[in-house]
Amino acid sequence: QKEVEQDPGPLSVPEGAIVSLNCTYSNSAFQYFMWYRQYSRKGPELLMYTYSSGNKEDGRFTAQVDKSSKYISLFIRDSQPSDSATYLCAMGKTSGSRLTFGEGTQLTVNP
Amino acid sequence: GAVVSQHPSWVICKSGTSVKIECRSLDFQATTMFWYRQFPKQSLMLMATSNEGSKATYEQGVEKDKFLINHASLTLSTLTVTSAHPEDSSFYICSASFWGQGDFSNQPQHFGDGTRLSIL
Repeated sequence: QKEVEQDPGPLSVPEGAIVSLNCTYSNSAFQYFMWYRQYSRKGPELLMYTYSSGNKEDGRFTAQVDKSSKYISLFIRDSQPSDSATYLCAMGKTSGSRLTFGEGTQLTVNP
Repeated sequence: GAVVSQHPSWVICKSGTSVKIECRSLDFQATTMFWYRQFPKQSLMLMATSNEGSKATYEQGVEKDKFLINHASLTLSTLTVTSAHPEDSSFYICSASFWGQGDFSNQPQHFGDGTRLSIL
């Protein structure tokens, strides 16, 4: 069993939709949770970063962490075609430490 | 946000050539740098972790003599693919993290834009 599970999709939504992306994990030692966005042939770009459980909001993006369920989510409101990318969840035991990545979910937002 | 620069972005070379990829942290001192490899439509695969001034720690299955990593300063790490062959063709990405005070304290890894390596 993988330490981090993420549905690879692909996920296709109309412009303006609310997108929900999720990951589950098995290692209770993970304390730091990240979401990265990766465009084709580019490096991952940090979107959201949370420590332990809770919610964090940044513009149209909301990240949620539920450590009791070992479940993290990323919500994208009012999705735009420019949000079309692969979204990777990642988690680590300490800040700046090696990360364990999900497979990535490929998202397409259709105009 | 933090900026990590990777160079070159794309390289094509003949089989048997050695290729060097540079990773620079432009606005912070990277105490640790990581090197990843990514195949199409797959997630990132960690190859090695590099701490400034010490030998890199390689992941299981990664050939140390094939993928030479040097992290001689707090802003620069290099990956050299020695005697590259077509099976080494891939997308290589570096990232950097920072330990200490200031704007980048307790920050996760920031990634470069990757290097697409094609070996003919």
